[in-house]
Amino acid sequence: EPEVTQTPSHQVTQMGQEVILRCVPISNHLYFYWYRQILGQKVEFLVSFYNNEISEKSEIFDDQFSVERPDGSNFTLKIRSTKLEDSAMYFCASTPLAGVEDTQYFGPGTRLTVL
Amino acid sequence: AQKITQTQPGMFVQEKEAVTLDCTYDTSDPSYGLFWYKQPSSGEMIFLIYQGSYDQQNATEGRYSLNFQKARKSANLVISASQLGDSAMYFCAMRRRNAGNMLTFGGGTRLMVKP
Repeated sequence: EPEVTQTPSHQVTQMGQEVILRCVPISNHLYFYWYRQILGQKVEFLVSFYNNEISEKSEIFDDQFSVERPDGSNFTLKIRSTKLEDSAMYFCASTPLAGVEDTQYFGPGTRLTVL
Repeated sequence: AQKITQTQPGMFVQEKEAVTLDCTYDTSDPSYGLFWYKQPSSGEMIFLIYQGSYDQQNATEGRYSLNFQKARKSANLVISASQLGDSAMYFCAMRRRNAGNMLTFGGGTRLMVKP
């Protein structure tokens, strides 16, 4: 069964460093998402991406964040200058369409630790 | 603004018994979808079940069923015949037609199944 994959599973970085989190969505899906989950808290939406551009973003997704689909399979989230509060689990998700009934399938997550 | 509330931060259930996890939501949109995800201790988000706002019948998927009460704006997850492997965090989430593609999550319920 096709699944969303994410690399790395765990990333440790120093405050102020840039990190790139990578995702490979399910191959026939058209809509891609990033969510984050700070330890012990709810899952929060960051950004959605369709047709090579951002379709929606939350207040969390400020200028420090960017997303890109550099080729036909990868979808990346870049944090330019990490802060301590960026420590969280980051989930990539994808869905074939954007109807309310279309399930978003999540990857296993990347745990980001900022020291 | 839309809101998802899960009032049970933690619950215990005896193995082989049924358990109900509560979820209430708040929206004025007529078209929306409700999702439940399971998050085991390994961290991944696993889709369990979906209920559409226009669905006449409650959704079922194996041992999972959704007790959908539209007038009360509740979408409780029922797990029948609990198994030890059901011990996990469970998140209720909503997607609205007039709110783009994002999922809004509740705070989650930690279910612990006792042998």
